[in-house]
Amino acid sequence: GNSVTQMEGPVTLSEEAFLTINCTYTATGYPSLFWYVQYPGEGLQLLLKATKADDKGSNKGFEATYRKETTSFHLEKGSVQVSDSAVYFCALTRSGAGGTSYGKLTFGQGTILTVHP
Amino acid sequence: DGGITQSPKYLFRKEGQNVTLSCEQNLNHDAMYWYRQDPGQGLRLIYYSQIVNDFQKGDIAEGYSVSREKKESFPLTVTSAQKNPTAFYLCASSRGTGYYEQYFGPGTRLTVT
Repeated sequence: GNSVTQMEGPVTLSEEAFLTINCTYTATGYPSLFWYVQYPGEGLQLLLKATKADDKGSNKGFEATYRKETTSFHLEKGSVQVSDSAVYFCALTRSGAGGTSYGKLTFGQGTILTVHP
Repeated sequence: DGGITQSPKYLFRKEGQNVTLSCEQNLNHDAMYWYRQDPGQGLRLIYYSQIVNDFQKGDIAEGYSVSREKKESFPLTVTSAQKNPTAFYLCASSRGTGYYEQYFGPGTRLTVT
């Protein structure tokens, strides 16, 4: 079945540091890949997405590139801010031919990011 | 503004009681989903619905029930059969199933004692 593995957290950084959160996946076929962010006490917000190999998703200074050869979708940001402190989830979805995985998002366990001033 | 609303934000119940969590969307989305989030874990799919009057079990449907009588609404009932109901519950919707991104509501934190 499909699975997503994220790097262990929590991650603690100083403001303006470089961020990488690793994400690798296992899936048959051609999944779409997503990064979601969850601020304390809130629901998830879509941060960025990529739907095919070599696509780069980007938003609010965050980037991730869909690497089919390494089955990875690592999240990066060049200079983090205190306001980026949140939980980050990598996820994938694909449509199964029999409909069994149709629309289902498979999530990684989440990585807690804390940014200090 | 379009979006997804979940109410209430916090819910407290005694063990043995059924409880229904509300989820409403005005995005005109066809598909809706319920997820459960436990501390330190990713989200797990409980139920999803692709169209009105149709829904399918997710990975952890036991002890839960849903209905989809209107396109805008997808309530989740946590029954007394659910062994560990205390969790954060998130509702989501998408234009369709498959590759469409999902939009999430703010969540309901259910505590059962």
